[in-house]
Amino acid sequence: GENVEQHPSTLSVQEGDSAVIKCTYSDSASNYFPWYKQELGKGPQLIIDIRSNVGEKKDQRIAVTLNKTAKHFSLHITETQPEDSAVYFCAARPFYSGGGADGLTFGKGTHLIIQP
Amino acid sequence: DAGITQSPRHKVTETGTPVTLRCHQTENHRYMYWYRQDPGHGLRLIHYSYGVKDTDKGEVSDGYSVSRSKTEDFLLTLESATSSQTSVYFCAISPRGDTGELFFGEGSRLTVL
Repeated sequence: GENVEQHPSTLSVQEGDSAVIKCTYSDSASNYFPWYKQELGKGPQLIIDIRSNVGEKKDQRIAVTLNKTAKHFSLHITETQPEDSAVYFCAARPFYSGGGADGLTFGKGTHLIIQP
Repeated sequence: DAGITQSPRHKVTETGTPVTLRCHQTENHRYMYWYRQDPGHGLRLIHYSYGVKDTDKGEVSDGYSVSRSKTEDFLLTLESATSSQTSVYFCAISPRGDTGELFFGEGSRLTVL
């Protein structure tokens, strides 16, 4: 099955700087790559996703890049703000999973800390 | 707001006792999931459902059972709780089964003593 590795496990950056979180996946059949943000005491929330037919996707201060050849994808957050402090999870899903999200495999998470 | 309610939100129980966690959705979505979240393991799928009385096992299903007798309710049961099942449990729905996008509930923290 799919295996998703996520690094780093903890990332501390100064407010206003950029943050990058990286994930690698093992199954070349994976074609859907979402990123979730989890604030303290809450459930994870989808913030951005990308499909394998696209190399990059942006939404305001966040962006995701995908390198299918190397089987890795990254989350980029620019101009970080205190509200960006949270745990971030990457995930990957193979095209053969069919309907539903049961084929989604999550990374172990990155705790992002924004220093004032 | 995806209209997902989990209950109870917190529970402390003893080893060997049965426990049932409830997930209720108001949106009438077909796909529902139970995950557990543990430090160092991220989110792992326990069971999922594609509709009423249509359930299947996930990655870490041992020791858990589920039932879905109504579209809006998905129950997770620990028949005989063990300390290894101390965790935070999340219910999720997938409004569009073809994308895999998930909406999570607020979580249920279970402590097994």
